[in-house]
Amino acid sequence: GQQLNQSPQSMFIQEGEDVSMNCTSSSIFNTWLWYKQDPGEGPVLLIALYKAGELTSNGRLTAQFGITRKDSFLNISASIPSDVGIYFCAGQLLNYQLIWGAGTKLIIKP
Amino acid sequence: EAGVAQSPRYKIIEKRQSVAFWCNPISGHATLYWYQQILGQGPKLLIQFQNNGVVDDSQLPKDRFSAERLKGVDSTLKIQPAKLEDSAVYLCASSRRYGYTFGSGTRLTVV
Repeated sequence: GQQLNQSPQSMFIQEGEDVSMNCTSSSIFNTWLWYKQDPGEGPVLLIALYKAGELTSNGRLTAQFGITRKDSFLNISASIPSDVGIYFCAGQLLNYQLIWGAGTKLIIKP
Repeated sequence: EAGVAQSPRYKIIEKRQSVAFWCNPISGHATLYWYQQILGQGPKLLIQFQNNGVVDDSQLPKDRFSAERLKGVDSTLKIQPAKLEDSAVYLCASSRRYGYTFGSGTRLTVV
């Protein structure tokens, strides 16, 4: 079945550093979504991208929909402790179902 | 708007027992999804409803899992009998079109 390759699997960063993660696919998607999941909670939508080449920001988060429609990246600027969690990319199919990446676990070094 | 409500939050059962989870989606969201999330993995779709009809249940283990969405609103997911490998978080989500809103999930432990 369809799969998304999300990298890196985990990141150890210092507070204040910028973070970058990405997802690639062999398939084309019409919509890319980025979610964050905190322990014990369901995923929360951070950014939705609807057009190839689109660059969208949400506070310190910036995400881009790749021009080939097969990839997307998420950047977090000036990370803070509450950014810790697992970030998932998801590509949305025409029937609105989501294909999920395996997640990027963000850990901030004390 | 109120979020997606799920209950219970936690459940511990013995293998071969039965368990049921409940979900109340956001008002007006026609599409409802049940996902299974095993620790360290992304969510895996079990079943998708559009109003009270099933759109996709291709990944639902139908020999032990069942789901219904009466009147196109609330939904229940049942496992009977449970196996050890069913230990996971069961997430309910609802949507109008793009992007989903997830509930907090039910963490199931089968011992």
